[in-house]
Amino acid sequence: DVKVTQSSRYLVKRTGEKVFLECVQDMDHENMFWYRQDPGLGLRLIYFSYDVKMKEKGDIPEGYSVSREKKERFSLILESASTNQTSMYLCASSFSLADTGELFFGEGSRLTVL
Amino acid sequence: KNQVEQSPQSLIILEGKNCTLQCNYTVSPFSNLRWYKQDTGRGPVSLTIMTFSENTKSNGRYTATLDADTKQSSLHITASQLSDSASYICVVGGYGGSQGNLIFGKGTKLSVKP
Repeated sequence: DVKVTQSSRYLVKRTGEKVFLECVQDMDHENMFWYRQDPGLGLRLIYFSYDVKMKEKGDIPEGYSVSREKKERFSLILESASTNQTSMYLCASSFSLADTGELFFGEGSRLTVL
Repeated sequence: KNQVEQSPQSLIILEGKNCTLQCNYTVSPFSNLRWYKQDTGRGPVSLTIMTFSENTKSNGRYTATLDADTKQSSLHITASQLSDSASYICVVGGYGGSQGNLIFGKGTKLSVKP
């Protein structure tokens, strides 16, 4: 089975701190994604990557950056956390970027910024 | 504007009963429609993916239908169990797009009571 592992299930950070959210997948997938999920808004795409060192902006990239140095690992970085970045963050991976490619999600990282 | 609308927002049913969740979309051109199940505090898990040419797909007690002409889909749950309590998310992909262009609905929260 595909396993997408997010390093932290729960984090509490202070405003202005730098935050790293790590995601690792074990199925040699080409593509990896970071979403945030907020009540009443559904999932929104922050960034995705279709290859090592490659990245594409999603719908809401402002305030975030990403890093993909190895195929299996995709990191989301909040350079200076703000309270409006309190959210559930979901990482996903897929083998193919094609229309019908299956997305596999991690368990999520719930970030609270105080 | 590409949108995915789900109804109802929430639903409470008794264990053993059937229920149907609705998804209407305005995404065009259309490629595929997915249903995901998300347990509270966990990542979404795929239930079904349907393409333009498919009008029904089952996964155990879950049956999804698609009417591409009216741009509607439904997810029918048969003989509900307590473990079906979750949010169900409808996701639509546009033709020629990629998983970076998926449109997520806000979900229907289902509660199954004993």
